[in-house]
Amino acid sequence: KNEVEQSPQNLTAQEGEFITINCSYSVGISALHWLQQHPGGGIVSLFMLSSGKKKHGRLIATINIQEKHSSLHITASHPRDSAVYICAVSGTYKYIFGTGTRLKVLA
Amino acid sequence: DGGITQSPKYLFRKEGQNVTLSCEQNLNHDAMYWYRQDPGQGLRLIYYSQIVNDFQKGDIAEGYSVSREKKESFPLTVTSAQKNPTAFYLCASNTGARGTEAFFGQGTRLTVV
Repeated sequence: KNEVEQSPQNLTAQEGEFITINCSYSVGISALHWLQQHPGGGIVSLFMLSSGKKKHGRLIATINIQEKHSSLHITASHPRDSAVYICAVSGTYKYIFGTGTRLKVLA
Repeated sequence: DGGITQSPKYLFRKEGQNVTLSCEQNLNHDAMYWYRQDPGQGLRLIYYSQIVNDFQKGDIAEGYSVSREKKESFPLTVTSAQKNPTAFYLCASNTGARGTEAFFGQGTRLTVV
């Protein structure tokens, strides 16, 4: 079993829909990260969380430390949100990555 | 602007040749990392360096080598000993402190033919 599990693996949504991507982890962490990878391959850090909730524009990330679970929400989704969203956890020096959720938002 | 620069973006090499991927950062970060990404798998750690002139093997270091002669630079050499080198390679850096945000390069897609 992977130490970081994401669901779903693939997601297709219509423009305007509310989207949720889930991440569960089984190790102790210092922080949880949500990353976005566009088709060209480069990765952008969206959020780093150690507790609670963060919001940036239409993106919201939450974490429940006790349940070892995090969610990434996208409100009013848009085709430009189409990307792979990766959950990662960090402890000491090391990051452990989920396999990603491939999101496609249709116009 | 501060950031991480990987070059080249695409690289083709013949089987049996060594190839070096470049990673440079101007963020004054102490720690730098190399990851490999294969379809359907999470990023896997190849090597990391927490300080100049020191580096450690990650989970899949066999067939790779690195150097850290300068704080800004962490080149990765894919040697002929790497059995399946075709992959997407990502470089990252952070301050090295526990739980800090990582910054990623744009990646290098290596194809060995």
